[in-house]
Amino acid sequence: DTEVTQTPKHLVMGMTNKKSLKCEQHMGHRAMYWYKQKAKKPPELMFVYSYEKLSINESVPSRFSPECPNSSLLNLHLHALQPEDSALYLCASSLRQGGNYGYTFGSGTRLTVV
Amino acid sequence: KQEVTQIPAALSVPEGENLVLNCSFTDSAIYNLQWFRQDPGKGLTSLLLIQSSQREQTSGRLNASLDKSSGRSTLYIAASQPGDSATYLCAVNPNSGGYQKVTFGTGTKLQVIP
Repeated sequence: DTEVTQTPKHLVMGMTNKKSLKCEQHMGHRAMYWYKQKAKKPPELMFVYSYEKLSINESVPSRFSPECPNSSLLNLHLHALQPEDSALYLCASSLRQGGNYGYTFGSGTRLTVV
Repeated sequence: KQEVTQIPAALSVPEGENLVLNCSFTDSAIYNLQWFRQDPGKGLTSLLLIQSSQREQTSGRLNASLDKSSGRSTLYIAASQPGDSATYLCAVNPNSGGYQKVTFGTGTKLQVIP
């Protein structure tokens, strides 16, 4: 298995909703990442997990809450989002933190906040 | 601070043409450089990964070269096809003792006309 799987592919949520994005990989990668991408822009790093521990938080608002329950699974919990949070959310993984052997990205979740 | 620029920003070519996409970076202290393609609204698909010690990598019709000293990488696509239409991103992975995040280029949007 050489894929990073993200669910759902599309999500529409209201500003008072609570939802979660899920990311899964079975490549034995021990670093996992959340990125946010706005239209016509490159991805922006949000969080890095290394060996299931939060390693990097790029000053992301607390309405985004990451979780790494095990080495294969990464969640992003969403609560009280704003319309400007609408974007493509990408999950990525690498063998170890730092991407010495490159990064594998998922197909993304298109999030719309209404 | 690493800056990564891709020129041109957009490119339209007839099917069958050979083409070159450029990626320039300001800090030559890199660990590796990875080329991705991104279809509209989708995730990033890895094309080629070049380690800093390598000069080029090839996969099918794709060839990527790396010249660290001049801060440049090129992605050569032979015999372009309409299915190659996508946005191409280069990502520069820094060489450092501690973790530093990947810097993505600004992207080149390619359209191959049948």
